[in-house]
Amino acid sequence: GAGVSQSPSNKVTEKGKDVELRCDPISGHTALYWYRQSLGQGLEFLIYFQGNSAPDKSGLPSDRFSAERTGGSVSTLTIQRTQQEDSAVYLCASIWTGDEWAPGYTFGSGTRLTVV
Amino acid sequence: SQQGEEDPQALSIQEGENATMNCSYKTSINNLQWYRQNSGRGLVHLILIRSNEREKHSGRLRVTLDTSKKSSSLLITASRAADTASYFCATVRASGGYQKVTFGTGTKLQVIP
Repeated sequence: GAGVSQSPSNKVTEKGKDVELRCDPISGHTALYWYRQSLGQGLEFLIYFQGNSAPDKSGLPSDRFSAERTGGSVSTLTIQRTQQEDSAVYLCASIWTGDEWAPGYTFGSGTRLTVV
Repeated sequence: SQQGEEDPQALSIQEGENATMNCSYKTSINNLQWYRQNSGRGLVHLILIRSNEREKHSGRLRVTLDTSKKSSSLLITASRAADTASYFCATVRASGGYQKVTFGTGTKLQVIP
């Protein structure tokens, strides 16, 4: 597609339930990132996929968080047993890293997760 | 403190004035980028400056990079009400085939008509 697509755009879930957030990056982009942004805050790095390499999971806040990227394209971020502190906007970004000087990362519009 | 910290945290100016935002970082980088965010949703890439560049222009935007001080500034000239947004710097480090990008905490800019 023309841009990075994230779904759902908004998700309200009950505490303790599992949620899946989806990111469909730009076709051909080799790297995909997930970030989390709490209200009025900066972006918190979660996980990074680069081609077929093992993902950099160093930003995942707990073992309740996991992500996968199937076929080098679509990625799913799963949060198990959601807690209220998981409420945030989850942003996905992709980039083609064949050229280090690629113009920039393309972000999706995010998924606003509210845990009640 | 984290890689990529912007100051000020918030800035309020009159339309037509210039807005300057600063970003400091701690480790070596390959490039530094500035992004804009409206309404807490997706970020939009504005400009990229490489580590071997000192200044770059794009329209009303001017970015400087001082690698010796590990700092960058974003200048928006002749600001408009539509420039009201949050602005983030992002540092990019390439290491071992990975390209890691780290975002700062952002500057919230308000341009008053």
